Amino acid sequence: QQQVKQSPQSLIVQKGGISIINCAYENTAFDYFPWYQQFPGKGPALLIAIRPDVSEKKEGRFTISFNKSAKQFSLHIMDSQPGDSATYFCAASSGGSYIPTFGRGTSLIVHP
Amino acid sequence: DAGVTQSPTHLIKTRGQQVTLRCSPKSGHDTVSWYQQALGQGPQFIFQYYEEEERQRGNFPDRFSGHQFPNYSSELNVNALLLGDSALYLCASSSFDRTYEQYFGPGTRLTVT
Repeated sequence: QQQVKQSPQSLIVQKGGISIINCAYENTAFDYFPWYQQFPGKGPALLIAIRPDVSEKKEGRFTISFNKSAKQFSLHIMDSQPGDSATYFCAASSGGSYIPTFGRGTSLIVHP
Repeated sequence: DAGVTQSPTHLIKTRGQQVTLRCSPKSGHDTVSWYQQALGQGPQFIFQYYEEEERQRGNFPDRFSGHQFPNYSSELNVNALLLGDSALYLCASSSFDRTYEQYFGPGTRLTVT
């Protein structure tokens, strides 16, 4: 049973465009939702995270939108750059253990 | 400030052999978690160590075991290797009071032939 479903599997965007990656979860106990960025040959790096008490969080060009009633959250990358080309993972975890359950990842390619 | 380090970078083993992977946490962190990342998949949690004890474990067989040392570094041991154990093994560290903020190392690429 996949507890965090991520889409799309791959995404191609032109430089300057908006990249949008969506995730849906099933476990209502989840209360921490991080996004990770992974470059080839590297480990995932924490990009931005949100808790369910807010509907949106913005850090620079990266924004998380959160819809608690729909159990969905998404990552928006504004003004996408070729350097943003990487694999992005959404994750969800719950208090106490905070062991993240990861989505399957989205491979983002930003064309110059 | 050194981040999470792992060794070795790559490793090739034969089916049935045993392997040990090593991890040094980020400075100031006392908790280490291990993950297995198969090609094209997200990381899957193996187990977490704090105060030299296994605190939590994911859905992995007993062939996977670990250890944490007094300096917070950690080892992951896998016995009786199977072809399906081929993956990127990631170590992540955190502080116990902020375990939700996990910092990952670059991983060890294990290939079982």
